[in-house]
Amino acid sequence: GAGVSQSPRYKVAKRGQDVALRCDPISGHVSLFWYQQALGQGPEFLTYFQNEAQLDKSGLPSDRFFAERPEGSVSTLKIQRTQQEDSAVYLCASSRTGSEQYFGPGTRLTVT
Amino acid sequence: RKEVEQDPGPFNVPEGATVAFNCTYSNSASQSFFWYRQDCRKEPKLLMSVYSSGNEDGRFTAQLNRASQYISLLIRDSKLSDSATYLCVVNGGGGYQKVTFGTGTKLQVIP
Repeated sequence: GAGVSQSPRYKVAKRGQDVALRCDPISGHVSLFWYQQALGQGPEFLTYFQNEAQLDKSGLPSDRFFAERPEGSVSTLKIQRTQQEDSAVYLCASSRTGSEQYFGPGTRLTVT
Repeated sequence: RKEVEQDPGPFNVPEGATVAFNCTYSNSASQSFFWYRQDCRKEPKLLMSVYSSGNEDGRFTAQLNRASQYISLLIRDSKLSDSATYLCVVNGGGGYQKVTFGTGTKLQVIP
């Protein structure tokens, strides 16, 4: 079956621009996670949804970062007024149980 | 101290060698444990869960030591295709399965 998909795969933004990153989880997976991965590092947790409820947003680095999942399926991670330090790969993962996770291919964001 | 720590490597081993990675975690309330594999510029993929009694999947063996708060991954008869970064993942502690990844251990299998 279809896996987790993310779009766009690559995004170049000028500093100060807003960006929106989309995640389509595996159908039926109630849990959805967003991670940020810098080069040479492991994925860093950003936020977690169970259906449409955002249960944990403790990993969001600043109030410029906002995530939503209004219908409990597709999720969007929005970054306002992008900064160079936001350059990273943004990974989305979904899970049926909240335990074993299946990752999308990621969105590589470069802020110039 | 980081919540989940791994030796970043790289581990350079010849084909056919046995290699082991350890991962330590700080939250004693952690409930479940996994190893993921990540190829260069690809997303992480689940390699195996780690059970309290230890578990084996072909050439791969995972162990959990709750008393010392570490998990391990043993790879026997290394193949060139095993070259990747291996990420330790710890779930749990709290009201939901909060997930913490280690920084990963890089393995390079040499012909």
